[in-house]
Amino acid sequence: KNEVEQSPQNLTAQEGEFITINCSYSVGISALHWLQQHPGGGIVSLFMLSSGKKKHGRLIATINIQEKHSSLHITASHPRDSAVYICAVRSGYGNKLVFGAGTILRVKS
Amino acid sequence: GAVVSQHPSRVICKSGTSVKIECRSLDFQATTMFWYRQFPKQSLMLMATSNEGSKATYEQGVEKDKFLINHASLTLSTLTVTSAHPEDSSFYICSAPSGLQGDTQYFGPGTRLTVL
Repeated sequence: KNEVEQSPQNLTAQEGEFITINCSYSVGISALHWLQQHPGGGIVSLFMLSSGKKKHGRLIATINIQEKHSSLHITASHPRDSAVYICAVRSGYGNKLVFGAGTILRVKS
Repeated sequence: GAVVSQHPSRVICKSGTSVKIECRSLDFQATTMFWYRQFPKQSLMLMATSNEGSKATYEQGVEKDKFLINHASLTLSTLTVTSAHPEDSSFYICSAPSGLQGDTQYFGPGTRLTVL
């Protein structure tokens, strides 16, 4: 079993839909990152969470430390949100990240 | 915001040659940088942690003599793929932590390596 599990693996949505991507982890962590990777390969860090909830524009990320679970929500989805969304956790010393397999999101117009 | 650059963005080389990839933090200092490899349709896999002024730390299964890492300054780490083979063809990405306790990770744009 991977230390970081994401679901779903693939997600297709219609423009305007509310989207949720889930991440579960099995190790103790000091922080959890949500990353976005576009088809060209570049990676953007969306959020870093250690507790609670963060919001940036149409994106919301939550984390439940006790349940070892995090969710990324996209409200009013748009085709430009189409990308791979990756959950990564930082555990222990040294800022090393362990990555989930990613969720491929496609938003259709 | 902080930026990490990589050079080159794309490289094609012949089997048996060596390729050097640079990772630079443009407006912050990074005593640590991370090198990842990503095969098609797979997630990132950490190869090694580059430490300024000391030896890199390699993940299990990564050959340190094949993937040479040098972190010569607080803003530059290099990854050299030596005696490249077609199976080394991949997307190589670096990242550098910044902020308090290295909370934020900034990723480079990646280098697409194709070995013929």
